[in-house]
Amino acid sequence: GNSVTQMEGPVTLSEEAFLTINCTYTATGYPSLFWYVQYPGEGLQLLLKATKADDKGSNKGFEATYRKETTSFHLEKGSVQVSDSAVYFCALRKYSGYSTLTFGKGTMLLVSP
Amino acid sequence: DGGITQSPKYLFRKEGQNVTLSCEQNLNHDAMYWYRQDPGQGLRLIYYSQIVNDFQKGDIAEGYSVSREKKESFPLTVTSAQKNPTAFYLCASSIPGQFESTQYFGPGTRLTVL
Repeated sequence: GNSVTQMEGPVTLSEEAFLTINCTYTATGYPSLFWYVQYPGEGLQLLLKATKADDKGSNKGFEATYRKETTSFHLEKGSVQVSDSAVYFCALRKYSGYSTLTFGKGTMLLVSP
Repeated sequence: DGGITQSPKYLFRKEGQNVTLSCEQNLNHDAMYWYRQDPGQGLRLIYYSQIVNDFQKGDIAEGYSVSREKKESFPLTVTSAQKNPTAFYLCASSIPGQFESTQYFGPGTRLTVL
């Protein structure tokens, strides 16, 4: 079946540091890949997505590249801010007529001033 | 503004009681979903519906029930048969059948069983 594995958190960084959150997946075929962000006490917001190999999704300074050869979709940001503190979820969707998602367990990011 | 609303934000229930969580969307999306979130567990799919009057079980449907009588509404009932109902519940919606379709999430309801 489909599965998503994320690095365990929390990831603790100082402001302006470089961020990488690893995500690898297992799926047959060619899934679409997503990163969602959840701020404390809130629902999930789509951060970025990629639908085919070598696509790069980007938003708000965050980037992730769909690497089929390594089945990975690592999230990166060059300079984090305190306001980026949140839980980040990697997810995949294997298109089969409906749009259900398989999520990783989430990685908490804590950024200090 | 279009979006998804869930109510209430916090809900308390006594053991043995059924409780219904509300989810409404005005995005004109056909598909709607319910997820459960537990600490360190990520999100798990409870039920989903692709169209009015149709719904399917997800990965953890036992102890839950849903209805889809209107396009904009997808209420979730947590029954007394659900052995561990304390969790954060998230509703989402999307346009089904489109490869590019994105799921949009509501703000969630935190259910606590006393």
